[in-house]
Amino acid sequence: ILNVEQSPQSLHVQEGDSTNFTCSFPSSNFYALHWYRWETAKSPEALFVMTLNGDEKKKGRISATLNTKEGYSYLYIKGSQPEDSATYLCAPRDGGSQGNLIFGKGTKLSVKP
Amino acid sequence: DSGVTQTPKHLITATGQRVTLRCSPRSGDLSVYWYQQSLDQGLQFLIQYYNGEERAKGNILERFSAQQFPDLHSELNLSSLELGDSALYFCASSPRGTGKTEAFFGQGTRLTVV
Repeated sequence: ILNVEQSPQSLHVQEGDSTNFTCSFPSSNFYALHWYRWETAKSPEALFVMTLNGDEKKKGRISATLNTKEGYSYLYIKGSQPEDSATYLCAPRDGGSQGNLIFGKGTKLSVKP
Repeated sequence: DSGVTQTPKHLITATGQRVTLRCSPRSGDLSVYWYQQSLDQGLQFLIQYYNGEERAKGNILERFSAQQFPDLHSELNLSSLELGDSALYFCASSPRGTGKTEAFFGQGTRLTVV
């Protein structure tokens, strides 16, 4: 099972602040990395699927980068809004796995108005 | 609406009982995943099926089993239930193995064992 670490565990920011968090994973045999957003009382929703070293993806104020050689991905939120409050999960997948999607414990973001 | 349907939404049962949770994947998706979220825990991967066959197994107890039927819906069977099995159970589907495609989650089944 792939070892994935997310940091920080939780983050409290003010509305308008920009923030970022990290997903670390083993760099060997990398295949893909998923980012999901999970709001309280809802189900996780996919943000990005990233596959290439140096990939950068963007959706509105949220963007992500990927470094497969060193085994990390950053998720950035520009100008955080209260509706961004959620837990952000990453799930790396290596080439040897059978397709199972193993999630990190997530970063819980709280944005205060 | 993700297109993934889970039933029932809520289930309350007694210890020692057996329950079945059902998942209908998005139309055309071949892969189904089951996850458990216990209190203050993250998403724990249980098992994955692809086109009717078990593809990967996670931290699934021996008291739990699953299957995927020819119409691609899946069922998670939980038996000899214990209080600690109370959790939110999610099902997710994807077109293939989600290596490079996102997974879509259902709304979950909240199981309470009393």
